[in-house]
Amino acid sequence: DVKVTQSSRYLVKRTGEKVFLECVQDMDHENMFWYRQDPGLGLRLIYFSYDVKMKEKGDIPEGYSVSREKKERFSLILESASTNQTSMYLCASTNRPLGGSPLHFGNGTRLTVT
Amino acid sequence: AQSVTQLDSQVPVFEEAPVELRCNYSSSVSVYLFWYVQYPNQGLQLLLKYLSGSTLVKGINGFEAEFNKSQTSFHLRKPSVHISDTAEYFCAVREHGSSNTGKLIFGQGTTLQVKP
Repeated sequence: DVKVTQSSRYLVKRTGEKVFLECVQDMDHENMFWYRQDPGLGLRLIYFSYDVKMKEKGDIPEGYSVSREKKERFSLILESASTNQTSMYLCASTNRPLGGSPLHFGNGTRLTVT
Repeated sequence: AQSVTQLDSQVPVFEEAPVELRCNYSSSVSVYLFWYVQYPNQGLQLLLKYLSGSTLVKGINGFEAEFNKSQTSFHLRKPSVHISDTAEYFCAVREHGSSNTGKLIFGQGTTLQVKP
């Protein structure tokens, strides 16, 4: 089974802090994703990566950046955390060929910014 | 642009009753369709997917979904629900022939509340 591991289940940070959310997958998947989940809004794509050191913006990239130095690891960075970034963050990965390949999700990191 | 609409934010139902969770999508090209379930404090798990062929797709835990191209719908059904089916359900779409990203577009989610 594919395992996607997010390093923290819960995080509490202060406004203005730099925050790192880490994600590791163990199935040699090329594509990795960061989504944000908010009630009533579903999942919205922040950033994705289709190869090491390659990244593309999703639908809501403002206030975020990402890093992919190794194939198995995809980090989401909040450069200066704000209260409107309080949310559930979900990491996912998938393999190629894409087509009908599903995304495999981690258990999420619930971030609270105070 | 592609989009997904889940028509009900909450669906309350009694145990052993049938349920349908509705999903409509908008896309100018053919799509792959997915349903995911999220139990409390967990990530998303794949329930089922439609790639091609038969429009009735069977998934895990007794769920099934029917693809209707003319109505651009992919409704999820279960003939008899259990308390353990209480969760949030997400419909998602990926366009055929899209750029090599694999991203899914998700609906807003439907909370299924199964009552004893």
